[in-house]
Amino acid sequence: QSVLTQPPSVSAAPGQKVTISCSGSSTSIGSNYVAWYQHLPGAAPKLLIYENDKRPSGIPDRFSGSKSGTSATLDITGLQTGDEADYYCGTWDSSVTPGNVFGTGTKVTVL
Amino acid sequence: EVQLVQSGAELKKPGESLKISCQGSGYTFPNYWISWVRQMPGKGLEWMGKIDPTDSYTYYSPSFRGRVSISLDEARTTAYLQWNNLEASDTAIFYCARLTEGGEGFDIWGQGTLVTVSS
Repeated sequence: QSVLTQPPSVSAAPGQKVTISCSGSSTSIGSNYVAWYQHLPGAAPKLLIYENDKRPSGIPDRFSGSKSGTSATLDITGLQTGDEADYYCGTWDSSVTPGNVFGTGTKVTVL
Repeated sequence: EVQLVQSGAELKKPGESLKISCQGSGYTFPNYWISWVRQMPGKGLEWMGKIDPTDSYTYYSPSFRGRVSISLDEARTTAYLQWNNLEASDTAIFYCARLTEGGEGFDIWGQGTLVTVSS
């Protein structure tokens, strides 16, 4: 199974926007939906985005996702201190050894 | 409320066995696959495997096949993750999570079970 590549960290001031990239392959992101998760310290991961760009109920529209080819992106606008967390992308990998895969994770810091 | 509730933290010695649980409530448990996810100290999320509650069919990541086993109780409301020979490197937080219908994402997560393996 392949691993999805994310930047280790991104940062911005409150109210600003951050963009987190997630790079995969033709058998992972290129062939399947992408999900995004927020993982706050000491808590369980929370689903933010599913099927590339859909938000579960209760997730504010400050969080948006997109996908193009073998890459996906999570945008967080109007950054808040409570957004400081680790963020992971995830998808299914349809390769020779199929399975669910997660990104390497990105730490978002609110300056 | 739809939720997955996991068993509590465990402290075990190398070589010991362990079975941790994940009980679903607030939804029809057999309708959704359950996965287990590992987070080692200071590291990211790793998918371990999944089980279909309708027939107990399991599928494992190659990284974990043979090291752990995933199962269900007879009532098919609780999933388990089991080790027969723990190692210090198994120290981690383990989450169970419900797979979305499409299979690419996890929409409900358990609170996590910390497993510490130390002599």
